[in-house]
Amino acid sequence: DVKVTQSSRYLVKRTGEKVFLECVQDMDHENMFWYRQDPGLGLRLIYFSYDVKMKEKGDIPEGYSVSREKKERFSLILESASTNQTSMYLCASSFWQGLGGYSPLHFGNGTRLTVT
Amino acid sequence: SQKIEQNSEALNIQEGKTATLTCNYTNYSPAYLQWYRQDPGRGPVFLLLIRENEKEKRKERLKVTFDTTLKQSLFHITASQPADSATYLCARPLSGNTPLVFGKGTRLSVIA
Repeated sequence: DVKVTQSSRYLVKRTGEKVFLECVQDMDHENMFWYRQDPGLGLRLIYFSYDVKMKEKGDIPEGYSVSREKKERFSLILESASTNQTSMYLCASSFWQGLGGYSPLHFGNGTRLTVT
Repeated sequence: SQKIEQNSEALNIQEGKTATLTCNYTNYSPAYLQWYRQDPGRGPVFLLLIRENEKEKRKERLKVTFDTTLKQSLFHITASQPADSATYLCARPLSGNTPLVFGKGTRLSVIA
């Protein structure tokens, strides 16, 4: 089974801090994704990556950046944390099936970030 | 603009009955739709994928349909059990083979 591991389950940070959320997958998937999930808004895509050192903006990239230096690791960076970035952050991975599109996503169990 | 909608935020159903969850989409029909289950405090888990040329897909007590005329997918759980209580999410690629866009989910409660 694919395992997607997010380094922290819970995180509390102060406004203005630089925050790193780490995600590691063990199945050699080329695609990795960061979503945030908020009540009433559902899952929204922040950034994704097709390959090492490649990144693409999702629907809500403002205030975030990402890093993918190795295939198995995808980091989400909050450059200067703000209270409106308090949320559940979910990392996912998948592989490319060609005409079949992306394989189903494998998610980590999330990091619940609170910014005070 | 909303590309995928799950009309019911919550659904309560009695154990043993069939639960039916609805997912509606706008614009063109996607090549496929996916359904996920999410338990509290956990990430979503993939359940089923249905392609636009498939009318129906089954897996054990689960059944998914895809109606491109109605722009709708239905997700059925037959003989529902309290253990089926969870939030169920539908998802589609926004266009072509872009990353998935998710509905807001339907929280299903199966009451014994």
